[in-house]
Amino acid sequence: GAVVSQHPSRVICKSGTSVKIECRSLDFQATTMFWYRQFPKKSLMLMATSNEGSKATYEQGVEKDKFLINHASLTLSTLTVTSAHPEDSSFYICSARDPLAGKANTGELFFGEGSRLTVL
Amino acid sequence: QKEVEQNSGPLSVPEGAIASLNCTYSDRGSQSFFWYRQYSGKSPELIMSIYSNGDKEDGRFTAQLNKASQYVSLLIRDSQPSDSATYLCAARRFSGGYNKLIFGAGTRLAVHP
Repeated sequence: GAVVSQHPSRVICKSGTSVKIECRSLDFQATTMFWYRQFPKKSLMLMATSNEGSKATYEQGVEKDKFLINHASLTLSTLTVTSAHPEDSSFYICSARDPLAGKANTGELFFGEGSRLTVL
Repeated sequence: QKEVEQNSGPLSVPEGAIASLNCTYSDRGSQSFFWYRQYSGKSPELIMSIYSNGDKEDGRFTAQLNKASQYVSLLIRDSQPSDSATYLCAARRFSGGYNKLIFGAGTRLAVHP
């Protein structure tokens, strides 16, 4: 099946620094990728929809200036957590839809391995 | 009301039994539904997808959808300890020009030997 790779898998940083997380679709082209965050024992919360070549679409309540998303190519989207603070510590997961997988008009959604961010 | 609701569990079943996981959704416009399994500290992996009313079987897993009742379920037959995980129900809806997956909080399943 389709593979989505995320890097880094774990990152620890000091408060006030910025952290970049990469999400790559390895064997398919993803015009759209999704970024989620998940707190311990909680569900995945959609943060934003990343669109190749255009601005990301953020969900209500998500600060676009704090969570910068860039989707420069059909296989790469990046999430930058700017001026990170301890409350930003979370599990960040990206996903991408392979338009050729599953039913023709739906596509299946594949997840990256996740990136655990700890802000000290 | 949450858009996708699940009982958080834990649901404890003995090895070999049938585990039944339930999910309800509020948006009648949702047409596609998915069950993901998530092990602790890992990202979700797709178990089943279902789009039409009725049952869909895949190996030990059966997904059931009732759009009139806005209800989705997942049955796991012959449960194994390795099935112990959190099961996430997700509904896809079209919003802001994109199809988005909205997840429930997940049900934790514990299969004991």
